[in-house]
This record gives sequence, C-alpha cells and structure tokens, in this order.
Amino acid sequence: GENVEQHPSTLSVQEGDSAVIKCTYSDSASNYFPWYKQELGKGPQLIIDIRSNVGEKKDQRIAVTLNKTAKHFSLHITETQPEDSAVYFCAVRGNEKLTFGTGTRLTIIP
Amino acid sequence: NAGVTQTPKFQVLKTGQSMTLQCAQDMNHEYMSWYRQDPGMGLRLIHYSVGAGITDQGEVPNGYNVSRSTTEDFPLRLLSAAPSQTSVYFCASSYSRAGGSSYEQYFGPGTRLTVT
Repeated sequence: GENVEQHPSTLSVQEGDSAVIKCTYSDSASNYFPWYKQELGKGPQLIIDIRSNVGEKKDQRIAVTLNKTAKHFSLHITETQPEDSAVYFCAVRGNEKLTFGTGTRLTIIP
Repeated sequence: NAGVTQTPKFQVLKTGQSMTLQCAQDMNHEYMSWYRQDPGMGLRLIHYSVGAGITDQGEVPNGYNVSRSTTEDFPLRLLSAAPSQTSVYFCASSYSRAGGSSYEQYFGPGTRLTVT
C-alpha cells in the first residue's frame, strides 16, 4: 500500500515568518494530494489540494508544490499568524483511498 | 446543511462490549469512510464505501464492521471492544470516487472512545 512520510513532526515559527512542511509518498500512480488543518477538538478540514497534473497551487498565504518525479510535495504558509497554530496533515489519494501522513504540530510564537 | 454528523461525542466501554458509532451526511455524497486517529499515527482508514450497498476494508479493519444501506448513513460497529480500540474516530464523506470532479473529504467532529 501507499506509504506517506511527513516532516517535521513539530514546528515553531515566529509570527510573520514562513513555515514549510514536507511529505513524501511511495506510489507513483497517486493522483491527488490534499493538506488538512486540524484544530483542537475538531475534525480535519481541507485547506488546499493539488492534482498530479499541476506543479504548484496558491491560495492567499498558503501554497502547495508537487514534484512527481521525486514523489514529494510541500505546504508553504507565509506571513504566519497565531490562528495558523494547529496540526497539519498531508494525504495522498490512490485507488479510491486517502493515506495520511502522521501530522505536524505547528506553533506560531507571537 | 448539517454536513457530517457523528454520535456520540464521547463513549466509555468495558472490554468485550459492543456498540455502534453513528455517522450521517446530508450532502448526497457517494463516498464515505471511517478513520481512527491515534497520537503520532495520523489518521488510519478503517472501512470505506463508494456508494449504498458497497463497502470495503481499509488499512485497519479488524474488529470493526460497517454497512451502507442508504446514501446518508454509514455506521461503524465494534463487535467486542478491546483497549487497543481506544481512539478518536472520524467519519468523512466526499462527492466522488476515482474519476469524479471533487475528492475533497468533509470530516465529522469525531467520537472519542475509551475502552477499559
């Protein structure tokens, strides 16, 4: 099955700085790569996604880049704010299933 | 729309007891799934369904049963609870399976289960 690795597991950045989280995957046939944000006590919520035919996608302060050759993709958050503090999960879709990374706890330091 | 709803929010079971976690969605989504979330392990797929009457196993199906008699509901049954099933359980739904226009999964608020 698919194997997804996510790094780092924890990340602390100063407010206003950028944060980058990286994921690698194993199945070259995977075609959809979402990122989810989970706040305390809530279910994960999609923040951005990218399909395999696109290299980069941006939505305001959030961007995702995909390198299909190297089988890795990254989440970039610029101008971080206190409300960005949460746990972030990458996921990979293949064969009708989503496989999640183990999560990154992002803390924004005021 | 209420989105994806789950009941109960919290549950404590004794080893060997059975129970059903309820999940419902009002978005007419074809695809529904159950995940468990454990510290340091992300979300792991238990079972999923691509439509009414169709279910399949995910990564960690042992000890759990599902059925999908309607588009809206996807209950998860624990047959004989074990301490290893202590976890937070999330139900999710999305518009389509492979080949469709949107893969975005909408998650419910979760059920926190403790088995003693």
